[in-house]
Amino acid sequence: DAGVIQSPRHEVTEMGQEVTLRCKPISGHNSLFWYRQTMMRGLELLIYFNNNVPIDDSGMPEDRFSAKMPNASFSTLKIQPSEPRDSAVYFCASSLDRQETQYFGPGTRLLVL
Amino acid sequence: DQQVKQNSPSLSVQEGRISILNCDYTNSMFDYFLWYKKYPAEGPTFLISISSIKDKNEDGRFTVFLNKSAKHLSLHIVPSQPGDSAVYFCAASAENSGTYKYIFGTGTRLKVLA
Repeated sequence: DAGVIQSPRHEVTEMGQEVTLRCKPISGHNSLFWYRQTMMRGLELLIYFNNNVPIDDSGMPEDRFSAKMPNASFSTLKIQPSEPRDSAVYFCASSLDRQETQYFGPGTRLLVL
Repeated sequence: DQQVKQNSPSLSVQEGRISILNCDYTNSMFDYFLWYKKYPAEGPTFLISISSIKDKNEDGRFTVFLNKSAKHLSLHIVPSQPGDSAVYFCAASAENSGTYKYIFGTGTRLKVLA
């Protein structure tokens, strides 16, 4: 059974460009989480969805960040415009339900020059 | 403000000895705690969890201890193996309050020396 799938695995872009990260959760899971990992702050939750509905986006750093989940098998995290301080590893995770164990994807390493 | 703190960024242990990773939290509403392990270029994987109604949970070589009065949990690995070398994250959530999001610490890098 495939785990959480993220694409791209690596992204290098220039400041000001739009970046879109993609995630396919484990089939049958109804909760999806976006995290950002940095050395200083560790793993931070950005937003999570339950049954495709955003439940808590209090971790989204600013209006430049947006996330969507148009259906149960796909989610995107968009940064527009990107800035160098957005450079980090972005993880997507899914769970069977909100209170169940979260399973992480391999992450997208983003570098904004 | 870090609600979950892992004050040791790194730890080195000899193979066969015990590894003890520590985690402190500040929010008394947290009632469920987890440890995740992360290898380079991979996502974190779930290792072990503990509910606040317990003070110990064991799974093979891994044991998590919870001290609610001290707001402290620890992960013991006995015996440590070179394959245990990874970054370990502790996480906490306040599930009884209806919020299920995990708050993670900054991680501790464990190196087990052969």
